[in-house]
Amino acid sequence: GAVVSQHPSWVICKSGTSVKIECRSLDFQATTMFWYRQFPKQSLMLMATSNEGSKATYEQGVEKDKFLINHASLTLSTLTVTSAHPEDSSFYICSARERNTIYFGEGSWLTVV
Amino acid sequence: GIQVEQSPPDLILQEGANSTLRCNFSDSVNNLQWFHQNPWGQLINLFYIPSGTKQNGRLSATTVATERYSLLYISSSQTTDSGVYFCAVIPGSEKLVFGKGTKLTVNP
Repeated sequence: GAVVSQHPSWVICKSGTSVKIECRSLDFQATTMFWYRQFPKQSLMLMATSNEGSKATYEQGVEKDKFLINHASLTLSTLTVTSAHPEDSSFYICSARERNTIYFGEGSWLTVV
Repeated sequence: GIQVEQSPPDLILQEGANSTLRCNFSDSVNNLQWFHQNPWGQLINLFYIPSGTKQNGRLSATTVATERYSLLYISSSQTTDSGVYFCAVIPGSEKLVFGKGTKLTVNP
């Protein structure tokens, strides 16, 4: 079946630095990928829709300059958290759609210290 | 926008028990999926079920689109079934809208 891989699974970074998370569709092409953020014991919150070859579409309240999304190929989207702060610590997860089914990556736990 | 409500929010079972999780949605949808999020955060797709009934082992799901609800049945529950079950819908655009989830704990 379709697989979406996300890397890294865990990352710890210092305040003020940037961290990049990759999301890959391993056996299918994804013109659209989605990035979510999940706080503890809460549901997933859509941050942005990543479109191959064009700018991402951000949800209301999500800072474009802070959460940079690049979808340079049909199998790779990246999320870069710039100038990270402790409040950016969270679980970030991507998804991609193949036909009618949506598949999620493993997720990335980000801790900013 | 569309509202997705799941019930119950929390459910505690003894191993071997059966359970029913419910998902109500406020508008017509093109896509409805059930996911299981394990304790490590990974989301596993259980069913794509915009209408009708499907079964996969001990799990089955039914969606009655005209009445805007879906049910997930778990039979003979096991401790590995523990986690959060999410219902998610796509109302018409590409965006998946999640419910708040049902946290299931299965005790041995």
